[in-house]
Amino acid sequence: RKEVEQDPGPFNVPEGATVAFNCTYSNSASQSFFWYRQDCRKEPKLLMSVYSSGNEDGRFTAQLNRASQYISLLIRDSKLSDSATYLCVVNLYGGTSYGKLTFGQGTILTVHP
Amino acid sequence: DGGITQSPKYLFRKEGQNVTLSCEQNLNHDAMYWYRQDPGQGLRLIYYSQIVNDFQKGDIAEGYSVSREKKESFPLTVTSAQKNPTAFYLCASSIDSAEAFFGQGTRLTVV
Repeated sequence: RKEVEQDPGPFNVPEGATVAFNCTYSNSASQSFFWYRQDCRKEPKLLMSVYSSGNEDGRFTAQLNRASQYISLLIRDSKLSDSATYLCVVNLYGGTSYGKLTFGQGTILTVHP
Repeated sequence: DGGITQSPKYLFRKEGQNVTLSCEQNLNHDAMYWYRQDPGQGLRLIYYSQIVNDFQKGDIAEGYSVSREKKESFPLTVTSAQKNPTAFYLCASSIDSAEAFFGQGTRLTVV
């Protein structure tokens, strides 16, 4: 089983749609969680951190469910500029893999007019 | 400006040669990471380091080597033992469990 798993998509949605991505992780010692965005042929950039209480940044909402070991990202009112690959990231702080930062395979989102 | 710098941006290697990719950061981050990304794929962890003079293998360390002699620097050597080295290589740094910042990457092509 992969340490971090995402649905690779692709997701094709019209402008204004709401879209949700999920990500599961296998190691319960995982401590920090993030969503990154990657544009074509560029480096990943932080979209938002994910906190246990859930957090929101404008049109983006991230949630963490430690009991079920998954995190989610919700994008409301999609824009053309939201088209990118969204990467789920887990930072492991425990055991022999202390500080291991693991990425999911990414979910491709295309927003069309 | 503070940041993380990778060089070169593009690198061509002949089969059987070792090459070293540079990664330097002036963010005073303790942790540094190397990832490999193939077309249409996610990032796979090669090596990571939490502190100077210490590093751990990631998920795909075979055919690669690293050193961490200085806090600011974490060079990656792609050895001739790496059978399929053509890829996009990304270096990142972070503080503890906080978010990681990436360099702009190096595209390595074997010719």
